[in-house]
Amino acid sequence: NAGVTQTPKFRVLKTGQSMTLLCAQDMNHEYMYWYRQDPGMGLRLIHYSVGEGTTAKGEVPDGYNVSRLKKQNFLLGLESAAPSQTSVYFCASSKPRGIEYNEQFFGPGTRLTVL
Amino acid sequence: TQLLEQSPQFLSIQEGENLTVYCNSSSVFSSLQWYRQEPGEGPVLLVTVVTGGEVKKLKRLTFQFGDARKDSSLHITAAQPGDTGLYLCARPSGSARQLTFGSGTQLTVLP
Repeated sequence: NAGVTQTPKFRVLKTGQSMTLLCAQDMNHEYMYWYRQDPGMGLRLIHYSVGEGTTAKGEVPDGYNVSRLKKQNFLLGLESAAPSQTSVYFCASSKPRGIEYNEQFFGPGTRLTVL
Repeated sequence: TQLLEQSPQFLSIQEGENLTVYCNSSSVFSSLQWYRQEPGEGPVLLVTVVTGGEVKKLKRLTFQFGDARKDSSLHITAAQPGDTGLYLCARPSGSARQLTFGSGTQLTVLP
């Protein structure tokens, strides 16, 4: 099993360009998440999904859109990239379990630079 | 947003030393998780603590949840270079157990 994979690993965009980050998981997990990580700020939740066809906003959703057309995939879109979106983006997935056994599995990240 | 404050932000020690990192909040949590992140990788779960006063051990790592469930600590005994990484505490909440993270403690263990 590959776990959680993310495409691409690195990307450089110019201000105003658009792009889509792809997350795929092969663990049959219901829940999927997108986080961004900036220096000194830990990880912050952008959007999440509790199942195919459903999405919800997290802490920092502005400037991003998401889609979950298939259970195994969660796409993060930037319609008009801004320098403030320069960050490392992590996707994660998990199963709905009791709080003591909940574990999120993270992908390796996508490093995005917006010039 | 219920903030998680981690301290220290940076820690550099020699191999064999002991260390403690802290995660504090003004709010009560139903549970708290600790993750470790190595360069170029995503975070990996180390432990979940649920009960106030709970202590969990993972080899040389000891995790404690405060009695009032507002704080937690991670103690590493006889640190090794392989312990180097970013240690993050996180609070699961909401319909999807989505995580709110602390800002992290960057640990460097020198040989």
